[in-house]
Amino acid sequence: DAGVIQSPRHEVTEMGQEVTLRCKPISGHNSLFWYRQTMMRGLELLIYFNNNVPIDDSGMPEDRFSAKMPNASFSTLKIQPSEPRDSAVYFCASSLRQVGAAFFGQGTRLTVV
Amino acid sequence: DQQVKQNSPSLSVQEGRISILNCDYTNSMFDYFLWYKKYPAEGPTFLISISSIKDKNEDGRFTVFLNKSAKHLSLHIVPSQPGDSAVYFCAGLSQGGSEKLVFGKGTKLTVNP
Repeated sequence: DAGVIQSPRHEVTEMGQEVTLRCKPISGHNSLFWYRQTMMRGLELLIYFNNNVPIDDSGMPEDRFSAKMPNASFSTLKIQPSEPRDSAVYFCASSLRQVGAAFFGQGTRLTVV
Repeated sequence: DQQVKQNSPSLSVQEGRISILNCDYTNSMFDYFLWYKKYPAEGPTFLISISSIKDKNEDGRFTVFLNKSAKHLSLHIVPSQPGDSAVYFCAGLSQGGSEKLVFGKGTKLTVNP
């Protein structure tokens, strides 16, 4: 298996633009997580899906952030409009329920200028 | 409220010696703990875990110890190797409740040759 695949690896955008981050989880995994990593806050969970259904989105910072999982093999995290403070590395991870360990993608480094 | 705390942002050890990374948690509902290792420009990778019913789990050079009464866990690496230089994250999980991993802010380990 190729592991969790995220795209793009790097994204530079201007403030106010819409940004869409993409994730393909490991086949067979039924939980998907979006994390954001910053120097100040470390790794923080934004949203978590189980069987394609959002279970906990309490970490989504504002209404500018939205996430979807239309099927078991694809998820998106959208920021609209983007702001400089959204600059961070965004990770997607997937896991099998009851196993515990989540497997991470390589991340998307987002820079909003 | 930081549920998982890694109070040492960095640690430097000599090759061949023991590395001890510490982690404290406040959430009594956590019943599973994991350590992740992260190299620059990569996603975190799962290293080792421990269930709350155990107090020790060993995997090669890596051993995790859990002290439930103190709400403390530690990761021991012996002997340390230069390739172990990375950021180590501790995470807690409540398997009976939400599946979301709650991470500490990480400890950067440097192993000097």
